[in-house]
Amino acid sequence: GQNIDQPTEMTATEGAIVQINCTYQTSGFNGLFWYQQHAGEAPTFLSYNVLDGLEEKGRFSSFLSRSKGYSYLLLKELQMKDSASYLCAVMDSNYQLIWGAGTKLIIKP
Amino acid sequence: GAVVSQHPSWVICKSGTSVKIECRSLDFQATTMFWYRQFPKQSLMLMATSNEGSKATYEQGVEKDKFLINHASLTLSTLTVTSAHPEDSSFYICSARGAGGGGPEETQYFGPGTRLLVL
Repeated sequence: GQNIDQPTEMTATEGAIVQINCTYQTSGFNGLFWYQQHAGEAPTFLSYNVLDGLEEKGRFSSFLSRSKGYSYLLLKELQMKDSASYLCAVMDSNYQLIWGAGTKLIIKP
Repeated sequence: GAVVSQHPSWVICKSGTSVKIECRSLDFQATTMFWYRQFPKQSLMLMATSNEGSKATYEQGVEKDKFLINHASLTLSTLTVTSAHPEDSSFYICSARGAGGGGPEETQYFGPGTRLLVL
């Protein structure tokens, strides 16, 4: 079966760095997406990785290792507004998105 | 770029009525749109995939006759919840797949969602 695992919840301090991991087992791979979802709102696109390595976008970076079926989202200089759920999603061989359950990130002052 | 709108944002209706939700891609064309529902504190659940000009593909367990989907143009898909009941109360979110928002062509961009409350 297809499976995406990410921690349910994480807590971090304002100004710090946090890494949210995602492991996957899917039938084929055509890229991995990270989305941010604030409570009560729809998800917004953050990043896409299809090749191994690190993609940096401002305070957010996303890493992929296809051989390990592993990705992480790295958030630096955390701000209170970063409190949200972070969703990992993998596009399988049929170009269908398989969604993780999301990681709720709580930022404390 | 890649803005998706959804209307209405809030609906309260009586049990037994039908509710129509519109999803529009405002600045790009989307041959494929998706409909999700999300219960509080739960993950996104894909209901159906909507392709312009053809019938929608429903996920297992989603009733086609209850959740009618129409994708009549490259910028508009509609979801009609027929004979709504309290258990249909949920957060319905659409997404449109396309380029222009910083991601590849396969990226899904989401509308703001519609909260449905059936009394």
